[in-house]
Amino acid sequence: EDKVVQSPLSLVVHEGDTVTLNCSYEVTNFRSLLWYKQEKKAPTFLFMLTSSGIEKKSGRLSSILDKKELSSILNITATQTGDSAIYLCAVEEGSSGTYKYIFGTGTRLKVLA
Amino acid sequence: DAMVIQNPRYQVTQFGKPVTLSCSQTLNHNVMYWYQQKSSQAPKLLFHYYDKDFNNEADTPDNFQSRRPNTSFCFLDIRSPGLGDAAMYLCATSRLVGLGANTQYFGPGTRLTVL
Repeated sequence: EDKVVQSPLSLVVHEGDTVTLNCSYEVTNFRSLLWYKQEKKAPTFLFMLTSSGIEKKSGRLSSILDKKELSSILNITATQTGDSAIYLCAVEEGSSGTYKYIFGTGTRLKVLA
Repeated sequence: DAMVIQNPRYQVTQFGKPVTLSCSQTLNHNVMYWYQQKSSQAPKLLFHYYDKDFNNEADTPDNFQSRRPNTSFCFLDIRSPGLGDAAMYLCATSRLVGLGANTQYFGPGTRLTVL
């Protein structure tokens, strides 16, 4: 059965700390891995990682895909209270015209001032 | 510059009273998805359309139906809502072109309350 597992489930840090969120997956036909940030609304897209683009960076956020280990990490440096959110990892999988996204349960990050 | 629009944002219905949620997109994406997300849980895929082809997840209850009359619009019909159907319903789209991977964009969601 296809699955996506995120760890830790929740994390509390202080402003300025660096955090690393993990996502591992087992899917039949991997196409891409996506990271989303979800506050009290719909998920907001952060990064997409594929076999041809295994590292992405945007400001204080960066992400790496390890296709050998079937996992990805999301790093946030110099955390701010505005980074408090649920971070979702989703894996796009499929073949022959049928594609879907499988989500992990998310990591709930709380950044304290 | 809204790209994926969902209406209404909040919907209150009574137990057993049919409800329809709508989603529209200005991205001209060929794939549209409906997810159900309950508190503290990951989004759960209900079904998706690849163009006009409907793909139902095996564990999606028959109580949930969907329509996609054209590229821009997709509807989620809940025929007889139960208390357990109270959730956030997320619409998402992506553009499937060839073998390339696709970014999925979400609408703001409709929060459904069942009384």
